[in-house]
Amino acid sequence: GAVVSQHPSWVICKSGTSVKIECRSLDFQATTMFWYRQFPKQSLMLMATSNEGSKATYEQGVEKDKFLINHASLTLSTLTVTSAHPEDSSFYICSARVGLRGEQYFGPGTRLTVT
Amino acid sequence: EDQVTQSPEALRLQEGESSSLNCSYTVSGLRGLFWYRQDPGKGPEFLFTLYSAGEEKEKERLKATLTKKESFLHITAPKPEDSATYLCAVQAYSTLTFGKGTMLLVSP
Repeated sequence: GAVVSQHPSWVICKSGTSVKIECRSLDFQATTMFWYRQFPKQSLMLMATSNEGSKATYEQGVEKDKFLINHASLTLSTLTVTSAHPEDSSFYICSARVGLRGEQYFGPGTRLTVT
Repeated sequence: EDQVTQSPEALRLQEGESSSLNCSYTVSGLRGLFWYRQDPGKGPEFLFTLYSAGEEKEKERLKATLTKKESFLHITAPKPEDSATYLCAVQAYSTLTFGKGTMLLVSP
């Protein structure tokens, strides 16, 4: 089956610093990648959609200057949380899809804690 | 606006006790309905995609069905390892809209 990896799996950082999370599709090329965040006991909330080589499309209410997304290749997307604050602490999950109607596979998630 | 409602919110079963999870949806132009399993602290694991009413898919003890308004995930003779949160999502154009999930607990 299709495998999506994320790195790191967890990170603790101090308030005001920036954190980069990597998302890779290991055995397929993803035309589109997505970034979600999930709070405890809640469902996934889409943050942004990105296609390789183009700017990400952010969902309403998501600050594009705070959550920088780079989709450098068909197998790699990165999410950088800039000037992180405690309220940014969450579980961040990426996913990758082949084609417009293809299945969407999720990474294992990254637990971010900002102190 | 696309809407996905899952019920029940939580379900406790005895091992071997079959049941069904429901996913009701409202979407303009369904491209696909997806079922995922999510374990605590992990990303969702893909289970099924259904594309049209009447379609059914099976995998081990799980069977997913689709009508024009809802989907069911049937669990036959569940085992404790089936305990997880099951998420339903619909795709209208590009992105998925998720329900809040059903938390399933199977006791031995």
